Parts: sequence; structure tokens; C-alpha cells
Amino acid sequence: DTAVSQTPKYLVTQMGNDKSIKCEQNLGHDTMYWYKQDSKKFLKIMFSYNNKELIINETVPNRFSPKSPDKAHLNLHINSLELGDSAVYFCASSHSGGPGEQYFGPGTRLTVT
Amino acid sequence: GNSVTQMEGPVTLSEEAFLTINCTYTATGYPSLFWYVQYPGEGLQLLLKATKADDKGSNKGFEATYRKETTSFHLEKGSVQVSDSAVYFCALNYGGATNKLIFGTGTLLAVQP
Repeated sequence: DTAVSQTPKYLVTQMGNDKSIKCEQNLGHDTMYWYKQDSKKFLKIMFSYNNKELIINETVPNRFSPKSPDKAHLNLHINSLELGDSAVYFCASSHSGGPGEQYFGPGTRLTVT
Repeated sequence: GNSVTQMEGPVTLSEEAFLTINCTYTATGYPSLFWYVQYPGEGLQLLLKATKADDKGSNKGFEATYRKETTSFHLEKGSVQVSDSAVYFCALNYGGATNKLIFGTGTLLAVQP
């Protein structure tokens, strides 16, 4: 009965590779997000989708491409991985109305070597 | 622009001590305010929220009051436990079409027995 789940939990890969992270929520929310947490724990939004439509794209390099096949899923594909992409990536979801509280997945720790 | 400022950590306390983690914000209008907690190796959990001035959010012994006059949302707990050791994030969100959380830098709390 996990609310927001992500796979994989850990991802170790080499520079130049392409990788994907998957996210699913079973909360019935209509909006999903990707956040990046850097090594100093700073969290910043990357993307948000509402009902499969891209709403927020926060100056993220176009090597990052989110895809939302339905409103319960939001995947993140990263092309040509760079060392600086190493971080923890969190998926989150929420209702589009209301005060804006969001529910987070457990995170995917990406290490690029 | 909108931003959140938290006190620098780490904050080190003995068990049963009183906790305050300061949070101030810069925003136009009236955002909702949140505290999230991140336990080691885990995702973010919503700890408490307040949606309008003078609201007090509370959960698990933690409290924070939305102070519009001082643009603050300080987190307090009367008696901390070792299990409260975590990183605490203050955040704001306007909700609506641009529903995105803007986080402070996080404050590491270490509680010693």
C-alpha cells in the first residue's frame, strides 16, 4: 500500500549512458513532480505534470525528459549522463487544488562515475 | 522572488531538550507553509502545515505558527527524542497552477541520549 514509489532505489552508471527512473503513485492525485536533491541536501523542483500535461520545467537541461503515460505515473529519462547529475531524485504527487502539500517517494540515488 | 531561509545546522541537543528551528520566508501574497522531515536514507515526510496567518500546525509533538507580521514559521518541540534526529526542511507553496514547493536549505538535528 505504498503511496509514492520509485524504482530503482539506487542507480550507478557511467558517464555518457542513458538511464530512466520510474515513479508511481496510488493516492489518486492528478499532479506529479520530480525534485533533485544535491549533495548538500538542497532540494529543487525540476518538473511537474498535471493530468499528463507538463506544467513546470525549471531550466533543466534537455538531456532530462520526463514522460507521464497516465496521471499515476511519471518517469524521468536522462540522456548522456554527466558527473554533475549525481544526486538523489525524488518523485512527489499532490492534488491540483488545495494548499499545495505534496507527498514524496523514497528517492533514487543516482551515482555517475 | 520567493525564498525560504532556515537556520544553519547542525543543531545538537540532549534528549528531552527544547527544540527551535528558525524559518523565515520571503513571498508576495499568502503562501501555505510546511515543515518536512527527512530521516537518514529516506524520503521526505510531511510533518505539519499551516495555510493562513496565525494558523498553528502540529504533529508528533512538533508545532509551528504562521506569523505573517514576522514572515516566520519556526518549528518547536518541547522535549526531543533520539528518534527525532533527522533533517528538517521548511517550505512554502502557493498551490494552484504553479504548484511547487520552495524549500529552505534544511537543518540537521542530532539528538544525543
